[in-house]
Amino acid sequence: GAVVSQHPSRVICKSGTSVKIECRSLDFQATTMFWYRQFPKQSLMLMATSNEGSKATYEQGVEKDKFLINHASLTLSTLTVTSAHPEDSSFYICSATGGDQPQHFGDGTRLSIL
Amino acid sequence: QKEVEQNSGPLSVPEGAIASLNCTYSDRGSQSFFWYRQYSGKSPELIMFIYSNGDKEDGRFTAQLNKASQYVSLLIRDSQPSDSATYLCAVNVQTSYDKVIFGPGTSLSVIP
Repeated sequence: GAVVSQHPSRVICKSGTSVKIECRSLDFQATTMFWYRQFPKQSLMLMATSNEGSKATYEQGVEKDKFLINHASLTLSTLTVTSAHPEDSSFYICSATGGDQPQHFGDGTRLSIL
Repeated sequence: QKEVEQNSGPLSVPEGAIASLNCTYSDRGSQSFFWYRQYSGKSPELIMFIYSNGDKEDGRFTAQLNKASQYVSLLIRDSQPSDSATYLCAVNVQTSYDKVIFGPGTSLSVIP
């Protein structure tokens, strides 16, 4: 099956730090990538939709200046959480789709801001 | 507001039984329907997708779709303890081929 790689799997850092998360589709061209956030015992919350070569589309309530998304190629999208604070601590998950592939998820990044 | 609804559970079934998971959606124009399994602390894993009315079988899993009733279900035959997880129903948004809306998930517990 399709493989989506996400790194890092876990980040622990101090408040005010910026954190970059990478999402790669390893065996198909991902024309669209999605970034989700999931708090404990809650469902996935879509943050933004990223199309290769264009600006990301953010969901209502998601600050685009805080969550910077770049999708520079058909295999890589990055999410940068800028000046992270404890309330940004969450499980961040990317997914990728393209061609006839449904969404396939990366393994997620558990972000803990101290 | 487009919505996808699921019973949150927990749904408990004995090992070897059939587990039935249900999902309803509000967007009548939706065309693609997905079931994901998510173990605690892990990311979702695609189990099945279905596009046409009727049943689609893959091993122990059967997805059932009824667009007229806006209803999609997942049956798990011969349930195993390893099937214990949260099952997420996802439905595409009519205006976007790729974007989907996830339901809140149903927690399934298979009792040995």
